[in-house]
Amino acid sequence: NAGVTQTPKFQVLKTGQSMTLQCAQDMNHEYMSWYRQDPGMGLRLIHYSVGAGITDQGEVPNGYNVSRSTTEDFPLRLLSAAPSQTSVYFCASSYLGLAKETQYFGPGTRLLVL
Amino acid sequence: DAKTTQPPSMDCAEGRAANLPCNHSTISGNEYVYWYRQIHSQGPQYIIHGLKNNETNEMASLIITEDRKSSTLILPHATLRDTAVYYCIVVISSGSARQLTFGSGTQLTVLP
Repeated sequence: NAGVTQTPKFQVLKTGQSMTLQCAQDMNHEYMSWYRQDPGMGLRLIHYSVGAGITDQGEVPNGYNVSRSTTEDFPLRLLSAAPSQTSVYFCASSYLGLAKETQYFGPGTRLLVL
Repeated sequence: DAKTTQPPSMDCAEGRAANLPCNHSTISGNEYVYWYRQIHSQGPQYIIHGLKNNETNEMASLIITEDRKSSTLILPHATLRDTAVYYCIVVISSGSARQLTFGSGTQLTVLP
């Protein structure tokens, strides 16, 4: 299994540009999520999904959109990039169920918005 | 979810046991204690979790006090590759959100 994969690894955007961060998992996990991590800080939840066609907002959703058309993929869209969105973005997935599930994280996408 | 308190940094000699403490005095009965680590800006990696009993796996042991207000992650034979930020997280798994609230964690440095 490849686990959780993310592309691109690194991206530079200009203010106002749009882009999509890709996330895919091959473990048939129902739950997928996006976090951002700013320098020296912990991760904060942006959006999450409990299955295809179902998404919801996390702690810091503003400026980001998501969709879940398949179990495997969970892209994160920045509609109009801002310098405040400069961060490292991590995608994670897990099974649903009782609290014994663990989350598997991707390697991250480093985004710089100029 | 209950908040956790961890020391900001710790050192450990290579080959010795690393004992990382975590205080979670406001934990409730249905909240689990999870430990993750993050090596040099890579994605966080799950280590171990527990509810009441002590747990052990191939990576580490988790000791939870009887009152559940604190816990200790033990890496029995630390190596240089264990240098990372270790996060103690308390999480209740109810509803849909599986949000892991990462605090500042403990920077563990394993010294040669």
